[in-house]
Amino acid sequence: DADVTQTPRNRITKTGKRIMLECSQTKGHDRMYWYRQDPGLGLRLIYYSFDVKDINKGEISDGYSVSRQAQAKFSLSLESAIPNQTALYFCATSEQNPYNEQFFGPGTRLTVL
Amino acid sequence: AQSVTQLGSHVSVSEGALVLLRCNYSSSVPPYLFWYVQYPNQGLQLLLKYTSAATLVKGINGFEAEFKKSETSFHLTKPSAHMSDAAEYFCAVSGIQGAQKLVFGQGTRLTINP
Repeated sequence: DADVTQTPRNRITKTGKRIMLECSQTKGHDRMYWYRQDPGLGLRLIYYSFDVKDINKGEISDGYSVSRQAQAKFSLSLESAIPNQTALYFCATSEQNPYNEQFFGPGTRLTVL
Repeated sequence: AQSVTQLGSHVSVSEGALVLLRCNYSSSVPPYLFWYVQYPNQGLQLLLKYTSAATLVKGINGFEAEFKKSETSFHLTKPSAHMSDAAEYFCAVSGIQGAQKLVFGQGTRLTINP
């Protein structure tokens, strides 16, 4: 079984709709992250959480919100989706040390029409 | 502030040829550097990382990278390309101070020609 899972894997929605992307992990890591990937831009950090009570904005948090329901679960919400939020979204987890790698989920491909 | 520049959004090599993917970083603190690979329709997988120990780092699948502080570079190499190496490769940097936030380069798509 995968250590970091994301649901759904693919989603098509319409402008103005609310949508939630979910991430679960079985690695026991405290730290979790949400990124979006756009062609030619690499991955950009949306939000990150160091534990259930510690949530921080990344470089592109506008239009997004998150919820850390438990150590193992970190959800990303788009309150009112817009077309330029069409992207590939990745969840990642890590241990506390900065030299430790981040482990990525398989991604959610989101299309906003 | 930290940043990463990957030179060349697309690199094409013949099977058996040398693979060289370039990465330059900017960091105000001693950096930790990573190379990740993304195969089609998959998440990112760590290839290798530099954590201030040896400057020549060996990773999975025959890849290696050399940290050169004077050149602020961390180029990825593989002596002989294989068809299965076709993927997108990302260089990333994090700092030892503050949050463990990875800053990614734009990515380089590697194509292997038979």
